[in-house]
Amino acid sequence: DAGVIQSPRHEVTEMGQEVTLRCKPISGHNSLFWYRQTMMRGLELLIYFNNNVPIDDSGMPEDRFSAKMPNASFSTLKIQPSEPRDSAVYFCASSLALGYEQYFGPGTRLTVT
Amino acid sequence: GIQVEQSPPDLILQEGANSTLRCNFSDSVNNLQWFHQNPWGQLINLFYIPSGTKQNGRLSATTVATERYSLLYISSSQTTDSGVYFCAVEGGAGSYQLTFGKGTKLSVIP
Repeated sequence: DAGVIQSPRHEVTEMGQEVTLRCKPISGHNSLFWYRQTMMRGLELLIYFNNNVPIDDSGMPEDRFSAKMPNASFSTLKIQPSEPRDSAVYFCASSLALGYEQYFGPGTRLTVT
Repeated sequence: GIQVEQSPPDLILQEGANSTLRCNFSDSVNNLQWFHQNPWGQLINLFYIPSGTKQNGRLSATTVATERYSLLYISSSQTTDSGVYFCAVEGGAGSYQLTFGKGTKLSVIP
């Protein structure tokens, strides 16, 4: 079975540009999570969805960040406009349902110059 | 929110040695997971263990939920075990996020 798929794996962009990160959860999983990892703050949750509906977005740092899940097999995390402090590794994870084991994708390493 | 503390922060082992990593958490939890982040950054599931003991090859884990800690045992360590080990907990009514500890960085030397 394919695991969680994320694209792109690496993204380098200039400050002020729009960035879109993509995630395909494991087939049959109904819950999807976006996390960010930085040296300073470690791994932290940004937002999660259940059955394509956003449940908790309290971890989204600013209005520049938005996330959507238009269907069960696709989610996007968008940053507009991007800033150098957004540089981090962004992970997507999915689980069968809320409260079940979470499986992580390979991550997208974002660098904003 | 719930606090997760891992110890030790760093560990250097000779190949073949055994080790125990600890995870303490500040409140009751619904779920607990152990991950290995390899040198390429991939987060690999090791155990999903809200309570009890599980074993998988050279690795085993024990969670004592009533005393708010979990232990990860690595036996006969290999250089491929190097990386960062994270404990993550899901706690609180209606909260389904994983709160991660800061990790234990393990280096296994030949």
